[in-house]
Amino acid sequence: TQLLEQSPQFLSIQEGENLTVYCNSSSVFSSLQWYRQEPGEGPVLLVTVVTGGEVKKLKRLTFQFGDARKDSSLHITAAQPGDTGLYLCAGFHTGTASKLTFGTGTRLQVTL
Amino acid sequence: GAGVSQSPRYKVAKRGQDVALRCDPISGHVSLFWYQQALGQGPEFLTYFQNEAQLDKSGLPSDRFFAERPEGSVSTLKIQRTQQEDSAVYLCASSFRDFSYEQYFGPGTRLTVT
Repeated sequence: TQLLEQSPQFLSIQEGENLTVYCNSSSVFSSLQWYRQEPGEGPVLLVTVVTGGEVKKLKRLTFQFGDARKDSSLHITAAQPGDTGLYLCAGFHTGTASKLTFGTGTRLQVTL
Repeated sequence: GAGVSQSPRYKVAKRGQDVALRCDPISGHVSLFWYQQALGQGPEFLTYFQNEAQLDKSGLPSDRFFAERPEGSVSTLKIQRTQQEDSAVYLCASSFRDFSYEQYFGPGTRLTVT
């Protein structure tokens, strides 16, 4: 059972468009991470957010942690084909310290 | 190599066979994690080692699944009497110290049970 729901599940956009991926839960997380996974590879960490309301920017990617630490969003500006991949949010649920819970995933395809 | 390696990369097993999946973590990493990733889904936690101690095995789906890390380095995930529902990618990750540190993932082993 996955406690983190991501939306949308699939997203196909053209180069240059903006997009937002959402990660929602009814549970509180002590911290939340975003990963990108490419076919045949393991997930690679993009960012960790730990404070409610925190916003972090990584070049064209903006990550936000909800005030109540139950949700997060990833916004990509001017998407490029190299952004194509599976985006996963993941968090440490308060009370299950060592278990990283992953979201359901958002598959992004950026075409020329 | 400097990253986490896993072998084999692909494994096809007939239902009922036993399989063993190997993970070589980054040298010096204390913690090691196993995850199961079904097609089109996010990974799901299976188990966590700190050195040779298995501190959390709450995610192992049945007693057919067994993991070990006897010398605190290489780990093996064993699945006995494989079933079709065991078909998935099995990911291994390691981190420098405990679970709060960044996890580095291997490429995974794709297991197909026929």
